[in-house]
Amino acid sequence: AQRVTQPEKLLSVFKGAPVELKCNYSYSGSPELFWYVQYSRQRLQLLLRHISRESIKGFTADLNKGETSFHLKKPFAQEEDSAMYYCALRSGSARQLTFGSGTQLTVLP
Amino acid sequence: DAGVIQSPRHEVTEMGQEVTLRCKPISGHNSLFWYRQTMMRGLELLIYFNNNVPIDDSGMPEDRFSAKMPNASFSTLKIQPSEPRDSAVYFCASSSDRGEQFFGPGTRLTVL
Repeated sequence: AQRVTQPEKLLSVFKGAPVELKCNYSYSGSPELFWYVQYSRQRLQLLLRHISRESIKGFTADLNKGETSFHLKKPFAQEEDSAMYYCALRSGSARQLTFGSGTQLTVLP
Repeated sequence: DAGVIQSPRHEVTEMGQEVTLRCKPISGHNSLFWYRQTMMRGLELLIYFNNNVPIDDSGMPEDRFSAKMPNASFSTLKIQPSEPRDSAVYFCASSSDRGEQFFGPGTRLTVL
């Protein structure tokens, strides 16, 4: 069975500082990894997926199969990045996602 | 398109009462998911449907929970009887095949 671990429930950084939200997974096959974000009073929405290899709102995430990690990074955090971030995994031909427990990011002024 | 629609947005009920949560997926999407969000456990998949058929309900906590999808544009999640530990935010999401999942605004349930 697959599992997604986000070790930090809360993370605070100052504006302009680098930020890294950790995500580790366990799955024996080739997974698809995603990051979802939920801003205050807004819906949960897709931020990025590893197969796209793109940068969204300055965030990037690289799938490291050796370390089974998919950490989310941004070099210079902004106050508007404050939100709940969820890492998610989709396995094989499945439609459903397995989510981590989430990390609440607060960017301080 | 208004996106995934959920009702009610907030529900406060007393222990033992029946609670029904409703979801209208995005038109054309053939997969529908019900999730529960709590501080302690994060986002948990309860059940998902594909083409109106329940595929995986292994996340449904117990027999008090049931879900139906009578047609492609409507689904319900029912809790009977409700208990205080069911208090959470319940999300519905829909997708087309293995595409991006789009989430509804959620229903915040409080069971007193």
